[in-house]
This record gives sequence, C-alpha cells and structure tokens, in this order.
Amino acid sequence: DQQVKQNSPSLSVQEGRISILNCDYTNSMFDYFLWYKKYPAEGPTFLISISSIKDKNEDGRFTVFLNKSAKHLSLHIVPSQPGDSAVYFCAASAYNNQGGKLIFGQGTELSVKP
Amino acid sequence: NAGVTQTPKFQVLKTGQSMTLQCAQDMNHNSMYWYRQDPGMGLRLIYYSASEGTTDKGEVPNGYNVSRLNKREFSLRLESAAPSQTSVYFCASGRHILETDTQYFGPGTRLTVL
Repeated sequence: DQQVKQNSPSLSVQEGRISILNCDYTNSMFDYFLWYKKYPAEGPTFLISISSIKDKNEDGRFTVFLNKSAKHLSLHIVPSQPGDSAVYFCAASAYNNQGGKLIFGQGTELSVKP
Repeated sequence: NAGVTQTPKFQVLKTGQSMTLQCAQDMNHNSMYWYRQDPGMGLRLIYYSASEGTTDKGEVPNGYNVSRLNKREFSLRLESAAPSQTSVYFCASGRHILETDTQYFGPGTRLTVL
C-alpha cells in the first residue's frame, strides 16, 4: 500500500521553463511534507518543505504547493536550470504519530535540457 | 563537519554471507534511520532509532537487524544475505525535536548479493 505516490517516473523540461513535479498521498494523518533532491551516487538532500497548516512555501526558484482536500502536493521550479537535473522524492510524515519517520514516494527523474 | 558517513561504499556478497553496514553522524542528532532504495520503489525505511537505546521496525525490516551503538553510530546487519537484498542502502539522521527538523542522508552503500 503506497501511501505516497509520484506517478510520473520522469519529466523532461527545456532550460528556462517551469518544471512541475507532482505527488499524491493517501494518509490524512500526514502533517508535514518534504521534497528531496538526489544526484547519482549521492545521498538525497533536503530541498524544501511545507506544513499542513500552509498551502504554499517558497524558497528562491522552488515553490511547494499543498492541496489538503485533494491530498496533493506539487513542486514548481522556475526557471529550470540544467543543474536541476536529478531525481526528486516527495516525502511525508505524521510527526506525533510516527516518531518523525518519513514515507517517500517513488521519485521523479527530472531532465532539464539546455 | 562530515555529517553522515557510511562504510563501505560498495560491497559484493554471496548468498548466505553476512555483513554489517556502518553509519555514523557527527551532528549530535537524536534519531537515525536506515533506508533502502530500489528502482521504482523510492526509499523505504528498514529500521529507525528515535533515540539512543531504542530501535523500531520500519516498512521492510525482514532479513535485517540493527544496533544503536551510541548516539553517533547506527549499524545495519544482514545475517544471511539474499539476492532480494541487492539495493542501495542509505543511513540518515535528524534531530527530531521540532516537526520542521529534516533528515540528513549519507552517501549510500551499494550492495550486490550474488
């Protein structure tokens, strides 16, 4: 039972355009959501997060949107750069119920072409 | 500041052999985690330790054991390796004091079981 789903295994975008990565979840107890970025042969690194009390969080070129009623979040990268090419994982946690454990999606491989 | 370190980086085992993956963090974090990453499956939690002296099962604990040796170190043991345990293993750590505390990942161990 996949509680966090990223239904697009890959995404290709032209440099300078917007990249939109999507993530759906099923557990209504999740109250904190994160995006991690992973380059080949490296560990994931934290990118941006959002609490369930918000619907938007921005950090430079990266914005995460949360739609609680739809149990959906998305990561927008504007403008996309070739260095953004990586695998992006969304993750969710129910802090008080699950001891800070993260449940990850399958990942979306983003390719930004010059 | 090394962050989260893992040894070894690569390992090849024969079916039935045993080995221990080592993980250490120098950030004084309370919680430590072991994940495995498989194609199309994302990152799945094997075991975690919310604090020194405690360990709990994650999503996929079968075939593994863990030891939280002290606050810094958290090891993962495969007693009798199986080909299904071929994967990339990541260790992570986090403060787990505030909901917004994120997890920091090591570079990974690539394990092949023949």
